[in-house]
Amino acid sequence: SQQGEEDPQALSIQEGENATMNCSYKTSINNLQWYRQNSGRGLVHLILIRSNEREKHSGRLRVTLDTSKKSSSLLITASRAADTASYFCATRPRDTGRRALTFGSGTRLQVQP
Amino acid sequence: DVKVTQSSRYLVKRTGEKVFLECVQDMDHENMFWYRQDPGLGLRLIYFSYDVKMKEKGDIPEGYSVSREKKERFSLILESASTNQTSMYLCASYGINTDTQYFGPGTRLTVL
Repeated sequence: SQQGEEDPQALSIQEGENATMNCSYKTSINNLQWYRQNSGRGLVHLILIRSNEREKHSGRLRVTLDTSKKSSSLLITASRAADTASYFCATRPRDTGRRALTFGSGTRLQVQP
Repeated sequence: DVKVTQSSRYLVKRTGEKVFLECVQDMDHENMFWYRQDPGLGLRLIYFSYDVKMKEKGDIPEGYSVSREKKERFSLILESASTNQTSMYLCASYGINTDTQYFGPGTRLTVL
């Protein structure tokens, strides 16, 4: 099974509303990252939160991390039609020596104009 | 501006053909990766390389091989393409001083 699992799988909202996506993971991590993918394109890094951080902001993005629950959330405030994309969380496991990130299956966000 | 490029955006091949997918990064990154992305399965790691001529298997290496002769270039090879290798292939890289992966635009491969 995936290390990172996003919830919900799909989300449809109106422009101006907030969008919240959740990610759960199974093992201890060094950091958790969120990426965005426009349809048919590569992934673009949005934000990284380290295991000793609880909250981080970047523009209209707010990420929280709860290591006791092994979960993270990504909040996009005042959404725009251009935010329509898939969003993935990715984890860097701790103490495994694994160099690659482990990605979840993503949340598809549709923002209606 | 950082850049990862992939040789083709779309590729159509026949079963049994040998297929080369090329990835080039201009950031002097040590680590390079090949993922495949399929609906509902997210990104799955095929192979990665942490230095020139070094490679390690990822989670789904069967049916694939890789080559890294130069630091900036990482090639994925399908020795004998099969229909179940129809997928989106994504290349990524990162350096030793960052944990952020930079992705190429992807190659959508169709094997007929």
